[in-house]
Amino acid sequence: QKEVEQNSGPLSVPEGAIASLNCTYSDRGSQSFFWYRQYSGKSPELIMFIYSNGDKEDGRFTAQLNKASQYVSLLIRDSQPSDSATYLCAVNQAGRRALTFGSGTRLQVQP
Amino acid sequence: DTEVTQTPKHLVMGMTNKKSLKCEQHMGHRAMYWYKQKAKKPPELMFVYSYEKLSINESVPSRFSPECPNSSLLNLHLHALQPEDSALYLCASSQEGLAGEVAKNIQYFGAGTRLSVL
Repeated sequence: QKEVEQNSGPLSVPEGAIASLNCTYSDRGSQSFFWYRQYSGKSPELIMFIYSNGDKEDGRFTAQLNKASQYVSLLIRDSQPSDSATYLCAVNQAGRRALTFGSGTRLQVQP
Repeated sequence: DTEVTQTPKHLVMGMTNKKSLKCEQHMGHRAMYWYKQKAKKPPELMFVYSYEKLSINESVPSRFSPECPNSSLLNLHLHALQPEDSALYLCASSQEGLAGEVAKNIQYFGAGTRLSVL
């Protein structure tokens, strides 16, 4: 079992729709969770982080964390073509400084 | 300012060459990282420096040699690389926080160096 799992996609949504990106993790001791966006050929850019169960909203983005289910998600409201990118879920496992990345979900927003 | 600067942006080298990748940050971060990313794959951790000391080496081959001359600079020295080492090399930095200090553990990435080994 991979430590951090994401559906590779592509996830295709029409412009203006809600995109829902999901991530599961295996280490129950993981403490903080990050969503990075990566455009093709570019470096990862932090979108949001979350460490408490529940929802965290920032503009069009909402991160959701459920530690009991070992599940974290990212919702993008009013999706725009410029949101088309690969979204990487990263986990800060207990006792480990570095992040463990999922394989990423490629999002395509259709105009 | 959350800028991490990497040079060069692109590098082409032969298998017998010696080259270095450079990374610089002026955010006062005390942890710096090297990641390797192949196409359509996530970043894979190579090395972590904490307070200028190597704290994690993810069993990286010795043809990759990291160096942290001071708290703002991180180098990756390359020697006798193989074509399969061609990838995007990413540098990142973060504050040095405790496990629960999430904001301090946010990693900021540089734009990367795209390396091609011929």
